Amino acid sequence: AQKVTQAQTEISVVEKEDVTLDCVYETRDTTYYLFWYKQPPSGELVFLIRRNSFDEQNEISGRYSWNFQKSTSSFNFTITASQVVDSAVYFCALSEVGSGNTPLVFGKGTRLSVIA
Amino acid sequence: GAGVSQSPSNKVTEKGKDVELRCDPISGHTALYWYRQSLGQGLEFLIYFQGNSAPDKSGLPSDRFSAERTGGSVSTLTIQRTQQEDSAVYLCASSLQGVGNQPQHFGDGTRLSIL
Repeated sequence: AQKVTQAQTEISVVEKEDVTLDCVYETRDTTYYLFWYKQPPSGELVFLIRRNSFDEQNEISGRYSWNFQKSTSSFNFTITASQVVDSAVYFCALSEVGSGNTPLVFGKGTRLSVIA
Repeated sequence: GAGVSQSPSNKVTEKGKDVELRCDPISGHTALYWYRQSLGQGLEFLIYFQGNSAPDKSGLPSDRFSAERTGGSVSTLTIQRTQQEDSAVYLCASSLQGVGNQPQHFGDGTRLSIL
């Protein structure tokens, strides 16, 4: 069965601190995709990144970076030099391709508060 | 705007009434998804449409929930005889194709409150 666990319910940091959001997943498929979405206070879900199961190369986009490790079934997200605008709920999600199942399975989200 | 459009943005209704929620996906997107986000919970998959294929209804919580997609575009989610536990934000998403590698683009949601 597919499952995504975001163990951190809430995190609070002071502006300019680095913060890592954890995501651990479970799947029986060998082919799958992992996603991160941001949900700011306004409510809309914003797509941040997609990673496929065959590509373990880490990715950096500005202040954002992602660390995918199949050995630990983790896909962690780091924000460097956090800013108040980063305050949001962040969701990690999984899509299994091998089973033809494309709806996303989401974690329960991590609420990040960045304090000025 | 070119994004996913949902209406209404807010809906308040009395227990037992039927409600209809509308989703207009991004033009050209063949896959459409409905999710539900309850307070303190993650997003829960409800139903998925891909082109002309039969929808995947595996996430619908009860037979009071149904959805249709007309002409491969606009979708309506209907909840009959609403209950208080149906109160949630209902989110619609679309993707270019119904394959797992396509990012899903979400609308702003409909916040449903059952009194």
